[in-house]
Amino acid sequence: DVVVTQSPLSLPVTLGQPASISCRSSQSLLHSDGNTYLNWFQQRPGQPPRRLISKVSNRDSGVPDRFSGSGSGTDFTLRISSVEAEDIGVYYCLQYTHWPRTFGQGTKVEIK
Amino acid sequence: EVQLVESGGGLVQPGGSLRLSCAASGFTLSDIEMNWVRQAPGKGLEWVSYISNTGSTIYYADSVKGRFTVSRDNGKNSLYLQMNSLRAEDTAVYYCARGWLANWGRGTLVTVSS
Repeated sequence: DVVVTQSPLSLPVTLGQPASISCRSSQSLLHSDGNTYLNWFQQRPGQPPRRLISKVSNRDSGVPDRFSGSGSGTDFTLRISSVEAEDIGVYYCLQYTHWPRTFGQGTKVEIK
Repeated sequence: EVQLVESGGGLVQPGGSLRLSCAASGFTLSDIEMNWVRQAPGKGLEWVSYISNTGSTIYYADSVKGRFTVSRDNGKNSLYLQMNSLRAEDTAVYYCARGWLANWGRGTLVTVSS
């Protein structure tokens, strides 16, 4: 199975400052069709997860543009350009290039 | 507006069975693949099962293979997860999700305990 490793697992942030989360996979996520299938999700306390970004860098409708995704191959990053209070929660990456699909362990973002 | 509503969770003894349902609205179910994802209390997300739009292609996580069965009825706008031989480690909130997890329901809690 493809192992997906997120870091850090805990991220204390200062409001208004940038933040980034790393997601690394044990195999390349480049599919034979030329796409790279890596999504990012946000889960606020007591809520179901919400998809933020699909296929590495495509922001979902309604997602603020302070969120951005980048990367290729085995190394991916989610960036928040300026953290707001509503961004606290746990962030997960998911690879869906290979079966079985696998999530990262989650990164808990909290305010310092 | 896309809506997914899971039901069928509850308390079941080890070795028992449950059938989860997911009612879909706001989109044409037959157009899109669906997934089940679970989350044990206080833990991370675990992908459980995938079913293609026609139901012809199905995948499972190794942890549930041979015990869980996913199905769909596009005419009834519904997705199902039949769970047999339940174990304590299956205790989780179960979410259905549209496509590659573009939209999620609020989940239904399954508790396996004697």
